[in-house]
Amino acid sequence: DIVLTQSPGTLSLSPGERATLSCRASLSISSSYLAWYQQKPGQAPGLLIYGASSRATGIPERFSGSGSGTDFTLTISRLEPEDFAVYYCQQYDNSPFTFGPGTKVDIK
Amino acid sequence: EVQLVESGGGLVQPGGSLRLSCAASGFTFSSFAMGWVRQAPGKGLEWVSGISGGGGSTFHADSVKGRFTISRDNSKNTLYLQMNSLRAEDTAVYHCAKVSQEWLLGYFDYWGQGTLVTASS
Repeated sequence: DIVLTQSPGTLSLSPGERATLSCRASLSISSSYLAWYQQKPGQAPGLLIYGASSRATGIPERFSGSGSGTDFTLTISRLEPEDFAVYYCQQYDNSPFTFGPGTKVDIK
Repeated sequence: EVQLVESGGGLVQPGGSLRLSCAASGFTFSSFAMGWVRQAPGKGLEWVSGISGGGGSTFHADSVKGRFTISRDNSKNTLYLQMNSLRAEDTAVYHCAKVSQEWLLGYFDYWGQGTLVTASS
């Protein structure tokens, strides 16, 4: 199974700051089959990024994804109040299609 | 508009069974793979099961293999998860999610709000 590790576990930042979230895979993920999701309390997760770097429909440009192989990054260029949430990465290259443990971005 | 509405959750004793349903609308159901993802209280997301658009390919996480079965009825636009031999550690909100393509090698582009399953005596 591909194990995904996310760091940091919690990121405490202020609105307007830049957030950099890491997702590392235990095996190389082919074709960049890596997605990022955002989840707010009491809500279902929502798709942000797919194919490691493609923004989903309606996702603001301040969200960007990068990386390949085993190392991937989600960057939020300038945090807005609505961006404080938990972020998960997921690989869809090999079953089981595992998720990382999540990074919580909270207000400093 | 894509809608996914889960039902069938509830309280069940350990060792018991439950069948979850997910009613889908707003897209051509048979053209897309579907999956179930669960979230234990206060915990992260765990991929549980997936099924291809035609229903011919299914996958389950090791934690549920042999106990849970995913299926679909494309004539009713409905996804199912039959859960047997439930354990306390299966307690979670179960979300159904639409995959971005017919085969399972795709991301989840739409999610339902989830249904809570509690396995407790």
